[in-house]
Amino acid sequence: GAVVSQHPSRVICKSGTSVKIECRSLDFQATTMFWYRQFPKQSLMLMATSNEGSKATYEQGVEKDKFLINHASLTLSTLTVTSAHPEDSSFYICSAVAGPNYNEQFFGPGTRLTVL
Amino acid sequence: AQKITQTQPGMFVQEKEAVTLDCTYDTSDPSYGLFWYKQPSSGEMIFLIYQGSYDQQNATEGRYSLNFQKARKSANLVISASQLGDSAMYFCAMRDLFAGNNRKLIWGLGTSLAVNP
Repeated sequence: GAVVSQHPSRVICKSGTSVKIECRSLDFQATTMFWYRQFPKQSLMLMATSNEGSKATYEQGVEKDKFLINHASLTLSTLTVTSAHPEDSSFYICSAVAGPNYNEQFFGPGTRLTVL
Repeated sequence: AQKITQTQPGMFVQEKEAVTLDCTYDTSDPSYGLFWYKQPSSGEMIFLIYQGSYDQQNATEGRYSLNFQKARKSANLVISASQLGDSAMYFCAMRDLFAGNNRKLIWGLGTSLAVNP
């Protein structure tokens, strides 16, 4: 199946700093990418939908100025957590869809963010 | 509104036995897709199986099969011959098939499966 990578896999940062997480589709072009957040022992919470070349669509309650999403190419989307605080500590997962005729979302391995 | 319900927070099964993980859904869309994903402790989401609302037959993928009962709006996952490596969280998800660029999935809360040796 298609491969999606995420970098970094783990990051620890100080409160107030910004962290960028990259999501790459390695062997296909992703027209749409999704960013999720997952707290321990909970389900995935969709944060935003990112279509290449257009602005991301954020879910209700997600601060677009705090979670900046850029989908600059068909193989790369980035999530930047700006001025991170301890409550932003979570597991962030991206997924990608190859195109309108594809049903499956391919997931990255996730990034565990810890804000001290 | 679309909704996925997984009523089993945790399940236990003996190795080599079969187990059924429940999933019911609610949608007014005529065309939809149902998905099951596995999430081991490492965190990665692994796609297991897909069922389209117009598919005539239940989906099967190796040891995984989907018991799709459209009238009851259920899409239970059956894992046959359980293995220790099947211990993980299992999520049921759904999405509208004709949503254009809005391809987001609606997720259930998940079921934690533990396979006992």
